[in-house]
Amino acid sequence: DTAVSQTPKYLVTQMGNDKSIKCEQNLGHDTMYWYKQDSKKFLKIMFSYNNKELIINETVPNRFSPKSPDKAHLNLHINSLELGDSAVYFCASSWGTGGGGYTFGSGTRLTVV
Amino acid sequence: GEDVEQSLFLSVREGDSSVINCTYTDSSSTYLYWYKQEPGAGLQLLTYIFSNMDMKQDQRLTVLLNKKDKHLSLRIADTQTGDSAIYFCAEKNSSQGNLIFGKGTKLSVKP
Repeated sequence: DTAVSQTPKYLVTQMGNDKSIKCEQNLGHDTMYWYKQDSKKFLKIMFSYNNKELIINETVPNRFSPKSPDKAHLNLHINSLELGDSAVYFCASSWGTGGGGYTFGSGTRLTVV
Repeated sequence: GEDVEQSLFLSVREGDSSVINCTYTDSSSTYLYWYKQEPGAGLQLLTYIFSNMDMKQDQRLTVLLNKKDKHLSLRIADTQTGDSAIYFCAEKNSSQGNLIFGKGTKLSVKP
């Protein structure tokens, strides 16, 4: 039973399109995150939500909008996609102040052409 | 701001020990982590250490923490070709709770 699941796994789309990536966790965690991994494998935090409340909003273009309908879901919507948005996006979850409990999804590879 | 540094490449022979080093800046970090990423795959938590510990051992993995120098290392004993991957060091952001990752060390294991 997958703990943190992201869909889709692969997404190829044209510049200018709008797309969404979905994430769900069944661990009962109260905090969820979106990380971006670029072509050099560097991982950076984009957003985090704790109990549906936005906690972290890093310097990310406002074309990216996270939405958390409940604490088990955190979706990422991207408007007007650009070539530079091509990356792997990882969803993760944890207990808000927890120690070892960061669990990552398997990633969504977004390619903008 | 917080930063995590690690060397980008390490090459070892099968059967040798691998040591991957990492330095971090947030002295308030309560937890430090090692993640493994195989090609095309997600992030797998290998181990983590609480900041009041000096060492943690888990089978072939040994984590050493020098809190004074803010230095963390991961030793893999009897390294196998299946250990070839990118290894990420990460610290927990003490104020916001997210993980701050190093740039990753690509471990190549030669037979």
